[in-house]
Amino acid sequence: AQSVTQLGSHVSVSEGALVLLRCNYSSSVPPYLFWYVQYPNQGLQLLLKYTTGATLVKGINGFEAEFKKSETSFHLTKPSAHMSDAAEYFCARNTGTASKLTFGTGTRLQVTL
Amino acid sequence: DGGITQSPKYLFRKEGQNVTLSCEQNLNHDAMYWYRQDPGQGLRLIYYSQIVNDFQKGDIAEGYSVSREKKESFPLTVTSAQKNPTAFYLCASSSLTGGGNEQFFGPGTRLTVL
Repeated sequence: AQSVTQLGSHVSVSEGALVLLRCNYSSSVPPYLFWYVQYPNQGLQLLLKYTTGATLVKGINGFEAEFKKSETSFHLTKPSAHMSDAAEYFCARNTGTASKLTFGTGTRLQVTL
Repeated sequence: DGGITQSPKYLFRKEGQNVTLSCEQNLNHDAMYWYRQDPGQGLRLIYYSQIVNDFQKGDIAEGYSVSREKKESFPLTVTSAQKNPTAFYLCASSSLTGGGNEQFFGPGTRLTVL
């Protein structure tokens, strides 16, 4: 089955520190990959997506992700965390037709002073 | 403003009652989706629709029903057959043209069974 695995349900970083949220996918062919952010009691907002072409993808709010086919990974990074980055982050991949997505279980990012 | 609206934001239901959650989009998207979100489980697909008057079951369709009478609207009914309906429900929509289309999400409805 095509799946998405997010390592670490909770990640805590200090303000100003590097943010690294891990995502691995299982697939026999390169998928389309997405990172979404969710603030409490809100819907999901797209941070960035990988379809084809450049493997380093830049998104909103200073986030970026690198598609590594050899490692089947699509980790999300931000050089310097800000308090406003505290939220839950979901990695997702396309699944079959109809633009369906399969989501990972999410990683909650905590940013401390 | 283009987007997806969901109503109500909070909904309380007594056991044995059916309730309907509203989802409307003005993005002219062909596809619409309903997800259920529980803590620690990510998003699970309930139903989706690619075209008016047609829809397909997702991974956890039991106890739910949908309709797609208009392109803009995709209401979800949580029936009394759903044994554990308390959750956060998210509606999304997507274009089907091209590839790698992201889904756009509404603000969600939190359903609580009393």
